[in-house]
Amino acid sequence: DAKTTQPNSMESNEEEPVHLPCNHSTISGTDYIHWYRQLPSQGPEYVIHGLTSNVNNRMASLAIAEDRKSSTLILHRATLRDAAVYYCILMGGSEKLVFGKGTKLTVNP
Amino acid sequence: DTAVSQTPKYLVTQMGNDKSIKCEQNLGHDTMYWYKQDSKKFLKIMFSYNNKELIINETVPNRFSPKSPDKAHLNLHINSLELGDSAVYFCASSRRTGGFSETQYFGPGTRLLVL
Repeated sequence: DAKTTQPNSMESNEEEPVHLPCNHSTISGTDYIHWYRQLPSQGPEYVIHGLTSNVNNRMASLAIAEDRKSSTLILHRATLRDAAVYYCILMGGSEKLVFGKGTKLTVNP
Repeated sequence: DTAVSQTPKYLVTQMGNDKSIKCEQNLGHDTMYWYKQDSKKFLKIMFSYNNKELIINETVPNRFSPKSPDKAHLNLHINSLELGDSAVYFCASSRRTGGFSETQYFGPGTRLLVL
């Protein structure tokens, strides 16, 4: 399973943008980049995914580097409800989601 | 309307007992999964079923037996419970299998504590 590397934790202030990085230097051409998050005491929740182009949805934006070896999840205005563990996952080869340790995001009021 | 539901939410039981966790999805999805999240918060896939057929079995002890009576349900039966089975178990579903862009929808989890 292709591996991703994320910082263990990040902090942000409410209503400020947050950029969550993910490195995936061994990504293959058919791997999709998925982001999920897990709020405290809840199941994981889909955030966004992409293959090559940047993607936007109502929750976040995904910026993918041109060489696809890294990506950044962007929350445009963090709220307290965005405090969660964010997982960057590559999916290709098999349809398994392989969760790493993720990045724990703390949002300060 | 809950998309993926699990029962029970909490389960406390003695070592050696047999227990079941139920999962239902009302999304019309073909594929369902079971994940285990241990005390260190690592989330690992256990099984996946596509249209009642086992697709993924991640070397889980055979005390764990998934059963899919129809494509909307995937239950997890655990025999001879051990202390190490204490964890949060999440059910998930996706539209189909084999699609690397497919989104998975997770249930709220079942918190199992084995005493």
